[in-house]
Amino acid sequence: DQQVKQNSPSLSVQEGRISILNCDYTNSMFDYFLWYKKYPAEGPTFLISISSIKDKNEDGRFTVFLNKSAKHLSLHIVPSQPGDSAVYFCAASPAGRAGKSTFGDGTTLTVKP
Amino acid sequence: ETGVTQSPTHLIKTRGQQVTLRCSSQSGHNTVSWYQQALGQGPQFIFQYYREEENGRGNFPPRFSGLQFPNYSSELNVNALELDDSALYLCASSLAPLEGYGYTFGSGTRLTVV
Repeated sequence: DQQVKQNSPSLSVQEGRISILNCDYTNSMFDYFLWYKKYPAEGPTFLISISSIKDKNEDGRFTVFLNKSAKHLSLHIVPSQPGDSAVYFCAASPAGRAGKSTFGDGTTLTVKP
Repeated sequence: ETGVTQSPTHLIKTRGQQVTLRCSSQSGHNTVSWYQQALGQGPQFIFQYYREEENGRGNFPPRFSGLQFPNYSSELNVNALELDDSALYLCASSLAPLEGYGYTFGSGTRLTVV
């Protein structure tokens, strides 16, 4: 039973356009959500997070939206750049259990010049 | 300030053997989490150590064990290796095991069990 699901294995967008990566979760105990980016042969790099008390968090070109009632979050990248091409993982943890996250299987984003 | 370093980068072991993987945390970080990432999947939480004590464990059997040393470096030990243990093993360190503190991942150890 996969508690964090990223239903799109891959996404391709044109440079300058918006990239939207989606993530669904089933565990109501999840309280803290993170997005990581991973390049080949490197470990995941923390990108942005959101607590369940918020519905939006923004950091430069990256915005994460959380819809608790739908158990859904999304990462928006605007504008997309070729350097954003990577695997993006969504992760979730209950309160007080940061670093013990449950990860999705990732979405490979390709940004075409 | 160095990041998280893991050794070795690649390893091949035979089924039934034992393996030890090592992780040096980022300077000042007292918390380390270990993850297993199978091909095509996301990382799965194995366990976390905070100030040399286990601070939570995922759904892994007891043959997966760990240690954290006074300098906060860490080891992951796997006994009686099985073919399904073949994966990328990642460690991640943080200043504290709380939300809001980012986790820095190493590049991982690729373990192949034959």
